[in-house]
Amino acid sequence: DGGITQSPKYLFRKEGQNVTLSCEQNLNHDAMYWYRQDPGQGLRLIYYSQIVNDFQKGDIAEGYSVSREKKESFPLTVTSAQKNPTAFYLCASSIDGRLKETQYFGPGTRLLVL
Amino acid sequence: AQTVTQSQPEMSVQEAETVTLSCTYDTSENNYYLFWYKQPPSRQMILVIRQEAYKQQNATENRFSVNFQKAAKSFSLKISDSQLGDTAMYFCALRDDKIIFGKGTRLHILP
Repeated sequence: DGGITQSPKYLFRKEGQNVTLSCEQNLNHDAMYWYRQDPGQGLRLIYYSQIVNDFQKGDIAEGYSVSREKKESFPLTVTSAQKNPTAFYLCASSIDGRLKETQYFGPGTRLLVL
Repeated sequence: AQTVTQSQPEMSVQEAETVTLSCTYDTSENNYYLFWYKQPPSRQMILVIRQEAYKQQNATENRFSVNFQKAAKSFSLKISDSQLGDTAMYFCALRDDKIIFGKGTRLHILP
């Protein structure tokens, strides 16, 4: 089965703690994305990567970091600098970064602050 | 700056009726794509339909079709013969050199 997996489904963060959200895809896609979704809001782009070992900041990158060491993996770290991390996080991928390519989404991770 | 506006926060229609969700956008680019995504209660984002800006013909996918008015920068989604499974949040998205999502319309299909 080809697709995008995200883990965990729910994640709890304590004050001052860094947490990492996993995103894996077996679609052989070059481009991967991280979005944040808040209640009553659309998706906002955090980071994206068009190729291995390269990534760019999106609209709300502050307090987040990413890596792209493997084509199939694009983990997102929510650092302690992110003061309001409670949200639903969605990972997506596309064949490449061209405008016409459809993004396919994972099932999401809900992050809650204790 | 690019913007996407969905003016209907919430809508309800009876099963089998036709419903239209509105979306307006703004971009200075000539080459762009528009998308409608569906997010059911499971929260999985699913592509419903997409439109290339350079194509005049409106995109259609089974019961879903769009009314793309490029000059007016309008991109509405029509759902025909609505079904209970269409109940979801619907997001309009614009992609030029970046991707912007609207805030969504929550659609309820009533039995």
